[in-house]
Amino acid sequence: AQKVTQAQTEISVVEKEDVTLDCVYETRDTTYYLFWYKQPPSGELVFLIRRNSFDEQNEISGRYSWNFQKSTSSFNFTITASQVVDSAVYFCALSERYNQGGKLIFGQGTELSVKP
Amino acid sequence: NAGVMQNPRHLVRRRGQEARLRCSPMKGHSHVYWYRQLPEEGLKFMVYLQKENIIDESGMPKERFSAEFPKEGPSILRIQQVVRGDSAAYFCASSQNEQFFGPGTRLTVL
Repeated sequence: AQKVTQAQTEISVVEKEDVTLDCVYETRDTTYYLFWYKQPPSGELVFLIRRNSFDEQNEISGRYSWNFQKSTSSFNFTITASQVVDSAVYFCALSERYNQGGKLIFGQGTELSVKP
Repeated sequence: NAGVMQNPRHLVRRRGQEARLRCSPMKGHSHVYWYRQLPEEGLKFMVYLQKENIIDESGMPKERFSAEFPKEGPSILRIQQVVRGDSAAYFCASSQNEQFFGPGTRLTVL
C-alpha cells in the first residue's frame, strides 16, 4: 500500500531562517510521482512541484528547493530565508501516475509558522 | 484563464438534510477528483470521474455519498442525510496532467 508520512506536525521559525520539511513515502511501485502542495490560511491548495521516481535530480526554484532521495524514500522540501508569507500547511503527496487517474495520497501535512 | 471553480464556498446544513457540492473543472480538463479534508487531518481521496463515468470510487463512503460528472455541466458531489461527521472541507481537482485544486467547499453540519 502507498503511504506518505510527514512526521513534523508543526514547525515555527523566525523570518530569514532556513527550514526543511520532511516527507517519507512508501510504495511498491517502481514508477511513481511525488508532489508538494501549499495550503495558506485562505484554504486553497497550491501546486508547488512534481517529481518523477526516475529523476533524482534535486530542484531549486527561487527560495524553494527539493531533495529527492530514493535510497531513503524521502522527498524533503527546504525554504531558504523564510518569509512570513511562507506560513501555511504544506502537504507532500504520492501517486502511481500523474495523469488520467493518478489519485493523490497525501501526508498529514506540516504547519509552518514564520514569525517576523 | 479561470481555475477550478467550486460552489458554494461555505455550506451549512442540519442533520438529515442533503448537501450538493459543485465543481467546474478548468477549461480543457476532462478528469475530476474529489478529496475530503476532515478537521486536523490531511486530504483523503474520495472519487475520480471522467465525463459521464465514475472511474475510481474506492475512497467514497459506502452509503449516503454519490458523485457524478455529466456530459454538460459541473461535477456534483452529493451527500444525503448529512451527519455531524460529514463536516469537512471538500476539494475538487481537475487535470489533464497535474491536478489543480479548487478553493474547496466548507461543509458544516449543525
